Amino acid sequence: EIVLTQSPGTLSLSPGERATLSCRASQSVSSSYLAWYQQKPGQAPRLLIYGASNRATGIPDRFSGSGSGTDFTLTISRLEPEDFAVYHCQHYGSSPWTFGQGTKVEIK
Amino acid sequence: QVQLVQSGAEVKKPGASVRVSCKASGYTFTAYFMHWVRQAPGQGLEWMGWINPNSGDTNYAQKFQGRVTMTRDTSITTAFMELSSLRSDDTAVYYCAPATVTFDNWGQGTPVTVSS
Repeated sequence: EIVLTQSPGTLSLSPGERATLSCRASQSVSSSYLAWYQQKPGQAPRLLIYGASNRATGIPDRFSGSGSGTDFTLTISRLEPEDFAVYHCQHYGSSPWTFGQGTKVEIK
Repeated sequence: QVQLVQSGAEVKKPGASVRVSCKASGYTFTAYFMHWVRQAPGQGLEWMGWINPNSGDTNYAQKFQGRVTMTRDTSITTAFMELSSLRSDDTAVYYCAPATVTFDNWGQGTPVTVSS
């Protein structure tokens, strides 16, 4: 089982700032089968990034993903008010699918 | 458009079972595995397993083996997830999500509370 560890647990930033979120895997993630989701309170998660660096349909270009192997990063270039949420990374494509524990991006 | 409508909130006693349904529309029900994911209060997401709606084959996370049963009824394009021998730490929101790989669409979630 691939264990995903996200850091930091909480990121306190102001609107307009850059956010950098990390997701580290316990073993190499094949074919970059790594996704990022955004979740707001009381809502289901929303897919942001798949294949480590591909934006899902309708996702603004201020969101970008990078990385390979065991180290992956989600970057939000300039935080908008609606971006304050919890972000989850996910390994997919082979069983078991696993998620990180989440990073909360909160308003400073 | 894809719609996934889940059954309503449940309150169960420890040791009981719960069955959550997920009614799918807007896509070919048998074309995508239906996954189930849960989220305990204030916690991260936890993958429970999937069912192939076409064949009925299932694949469960090891943690839930022996307690979870995923089924489907293709005539009503609905998937079901039943969890038995409920404990307090099964208190969570349960989501369905059809997927080949990534979870592009999610149900609205079904809160399940386990309390004596």
